[in-house]
Amino acid sequence: DPKIIQKPKYLVAVTGSEKILICEQYLGHNAMYWYRQSAKKPLEFMFSYSYQKLMDNQTASSRFQPQSSKKNHLDLQITALKPDDSATYFCASSQEGAYAEQFFGPGTRLTVL
Amino acid sequence: GDSVTQTEGPVTVSESESLIINCTYSATSIAYPNLFWYVRYPGEGLQLLLKVITAGQKGSSRGFEATYNKETTSFHLQKASVQESDSAVYYCALGDSGGSNAKLTFGKGTKLSVKS
Repeated sequence: DPKIIQKPKYLVAVTGSEKILICEQYLGHNAMYWYRQSAKKPLEFMFSYSYQKLMDNQTASSRFQPQSSKKNHLDLQITALKPDDSATYFCASSQEGAYAEQFFGPGTRLTVL
Repeated sequence: GDSVTQTEGPVTVSESESLIINCTYSATSIAYPNLFWYVRYPGEGLQLLLKVITAGQKGSSRGFEATYNKETTSFHLQKASVQESDSAVYYCALGDSGGSNAKLTFGKGTKLSVKS
């Protein structure tokens, strides 16, 4: 059974619209993260949450807003979408602690036209 | 800022040959870096291969080894004899033990193809 679920797998959006990327983890972890990978670029850290509270935000734009309605959920709302937002977005989770292994979801591939 | 540079792929190696994928890092904002190798096999998600949190130590898993060298700021991945099942994309990553929830800084990934 998948331990980290990301929905949808693929997403196509038009410029200016708003989308929500879903992430649920069933590993019992307290920390969750979002990363992004654009074409030809490395995986890039966006946010980290611990016990549903924002710990670190490395995303310059306020158009990206994480939402944690439950301890094992960390959705990502993206508003006013731009073509440059096209990327694969990965959710990850870990136990508390700096040395803990991060487990990654399968990703949501977003294309903005 | 912090960064990771690794061997540009794709890399093609014959089965039973040795492999080295280079990784160097720059940790300008991290006092005590942790180093990781992640791997993505075809059709699967990203998963941890090995990690080392102390300079001078070596990590190993599935026949792969990497030594954390603080002097040369390197964390090269090596395997003495690769198999076809090692074909995957390998990512070197840098973590920060200073915070309670460490962000990871990744390299671009190195695609390895092992031919039989």
